[in-house]
Amino acid sequence: GQSLEQPSEVTAVEGAIVQINCTYQTSGFYGLSWYQQHDGGAPTFLSYNALDGLEETGRFSSFLSRSDSYGYLLLQELQMKDSASYFCAVIHYNQGGKLIFGQGTELSVKP
Amino acid sequence: GAVVSQHPSRVICKSGTSVKIECRSLDFQATTMFWYRQFPKQSLMLMATSNEGSKATYEQGVEKDKFLINHASLTLSTLTVTSAHPEDSSFYICSASSFRAAHNQPQHFGDGTRLSIL
Repeated sequence: GQSLEQPSEVTAVEGAIVQINCTYQTSGFYGLSWYQQHDGGAPTFLSYNALDGLEETGRFSSFLSRSDSYGYLLLQELQMKDSASYFCAVIHYNQGGKLIFGQGTELSVKP
Repeated sequence: GAVVSQHPSRVICKSGTSVKIECRSLDFQATTMFWYRQFPKQSLMLMATSNEGSKATYEQGVEKDKFLINHASLTLSTLTVTSAHPEDSSFYICSASSFRAAHNQPQHFGDGTRLSIL
């Protein structure tokens, strides 16, 4: 089967750094993506790892280790607007690259 | 960046009504479009994969006759929820990818359609 595990909730304060982990049990995927979703909105793309290692995009970074079946999203200099749900997702080889999502992590940023 | 437009953004209708949702890729040719459903406080669940000019591939447990998908052109896919009932109330989201991009690029999502069946 295919599954991705994320913590359900994370709380942090403004200005802090938070790491959201994603462990997966799947094979035959191109890469690991991260999406942000605010209440009532659609997912927006944050970061993508096709290869092992760290990808940095501004305040957000993402990491992938295929040998450990593990990835994470790192958010730095947290802001109140970062309060949202964050989803990891794998892109599969078949069916034109369909996405399989984790259950999502709800991040609450406190003042 | 890639833009995907979804319409309508919100639908409220009576039980038994059929509802059509459109998903358009505005600045690229989408050989594949995906339809997801999301219930409150839950993750996105893939319903079906829609390929231009061919039949959609449905995920296990998704009723083909209930959720009709048409992908007649490289820029438009439609999802029709037939004879909708209250349990079909959900947030429906489409995404699109091009053949070249499908396997090594992230998908981009439409803004979603919030469907409420009374």
